[in-house]
Amino acid sequence: NAGVMQNPRHLVRRRGQEARLRCSPMKGHSHVYWYRQLPEEGLKFMVYLQKENIIDESGMPKERFSAEFPKEGPSILRIQQVVRGDSAAYFCASSPLGQGGEQYFGPGTRLTVT
Amino acid sequence: QKEVEQDPGPLSVPEGAIVSLNCTYSNSAFQYFMWYRQYSRKGPELLMYTYSSGNKEDGRFTAQVDKSSKYISLFIRDSQPSDSATYLCAMSVGNAGNMLTFGGGTRLMVKP
Repeated sequence: NAGVMQNPRHLVRRRGQEARLRCSPMKGHSHVYWYRQLPEEGLKFMVYLQKENIIDESGMPKERFSAEFPKEGPSILRIQQVVRGDSAAYFCASSPLGQGGEQYFGPGTRLTVT
Repeated sequence: QKEVEQDPGPLSVPEGAIVSLNCTYSNSAFQYFMWYRQYSRKGPELLMYTYSSGNKEDGRFTAQVDKSSKYISLFIRDSQPSDSATYLCAMSVGNAGNMLTFGGGTRLMVKP
């Protein structure tokens, strides 16, 4: 059973460009979460999605950041007009439908803004 | 004050030692507690998942939760150099569909 997949693993963008990060959850999982890990800081929750719905986006910056989890295809975290402060590791996690609350993480996408 | 506090270390121990890693938290609503291991430049790997107070054992790992003291621990027996990593505690208010709040992580080094 394949784990959570994220791509690309590394992404370099110039200031002002857009970054698109993709996440495919584990098979059978319907909950997707995005977290950000800034250098020398812990993991911080950004957004929680189910298929076609954003359930909790309380950790998302108000501007430039958006997320989606369409009916078909991976979840996408989109960062518009990137700035140097967006440089971080972005992790996606998934959990199964139902009572199980364990979240399983992908390998992350390391975004570098030059 | 952070919601979840964790000593950043580094914690250096000889191979075979018993390792104790700890977190304290301030939000009494937390009900679910997890420990993750993260190797450098990799994703966090779930080690232990517990609900409410008590102990849970899995191989060389034992997780303890003391809700009255708002204190959780992870013990690693017979530590190995391959255990060298950053250990993250995480907790949530509910189960499925709830955000995790992480500690800052403790870096562990097990020396052969």
